[in-house]
Amino acid sequence: QVQLVQSGAEVKKPGASVKVSCKASGFTFTDYYMHWVRQAPGQGLEWMGWINPNSGDTKYIQKFQDRVTMTRDTSISTAYLDLTRLGSDDTALYYCALNYCSGNCYQIHHWGQGTLVTVSS
Amino acid sequence: QSALTQPASVSGSPGQSITISCTGTSSDIGRYNYVCWYQHHPGKAPKLIIYDVGKRPSGVSDRFSGSKSDNTASLTISGLQIEDEADYYCTSFATDTTLVFGGGTKLTVL
Repeated sequence: QVQLVQSGAEVKKPGASVKVSCKASGFTFTDYYMHWVRQAPGQGLEWMGWINPNSGDTKYIQKFQDRVTMTRDTSISTAYLDLTRLGSDDTALYYCALNYCSGNCYQIHHWGQGTLVTVSS
Repeated sequence: QSALTQPASVSGSPGQSITISCTGTSSDIGRYNYVCWYQHHPGKAPKLIIYDVGKRPSGVSDRFSGSKSDNTASLTISGLQIEDEADYYCTSFATDTTLVFGGGTKLTVL
C-alpha cells in the first residue's frame, strides 16, 4: 500500500535552515507529483509547491520562491523539502502529499504523517 | 496568489444539511473544474472527499456533494452526523500552475 514516511521533528534557531525528507513506498515514485503543504499552529493548510519526481521540475508559490527548494532522490524514492532563513512564522507541521493520479489531476490522495518544525531562539 | 475564501465556521444539527462556500477568482475556480475538498480531523491526515468539483472518491459517502458556479465552489453535507465535525478545506488549480487552498471552515455538529 502507498506509504509516505517523513523525518522526525526539528527544532531550529531563527535564520537557520531545515531539510525534511519523505520516503515513499508502495508505488512507482517517479510516476506521480509530490506536494508539500504546511499548517502553522491554529492556522489552515498552506500549499508550498510541488515536484515532478521524474524530471525534477518544481513549482513553488511566490511567497517561498527564494527560500524553498524541493528535490528528490529517485534511487531511494525520497523527496526533500529545504527551507532556509527560518523565522518564527515558519513553525508548522510540514506534510508531503501525493498526487496519486496522472494527466490533469490535481488531487491529493495520500499524506505523510507530518514533520513538526519549531523555530525558536 | 491569494487564498480562496471560506467562512471560518458553520454549524448544524444531526440530520440537517449544511453548505460551505469557497470563493476564488477567474484565475482559479472560475477557470478550471479542478476544485477539491478535504476533510481534516485534528491530529489526522486530511482526507480527499470531493475532486474535480463534484466527483467523490471511492468509499466517500454520498452525503457529500460538490458544485460550482462562476468563481464560487460549494460543498454540501446532507444528513449531518457527529463524525462530520471537522475542518474542511477547498483547493483549486490556478493559472500559474499552482494549487491554492481555502482558509478552512470549522464545522460544528451541535
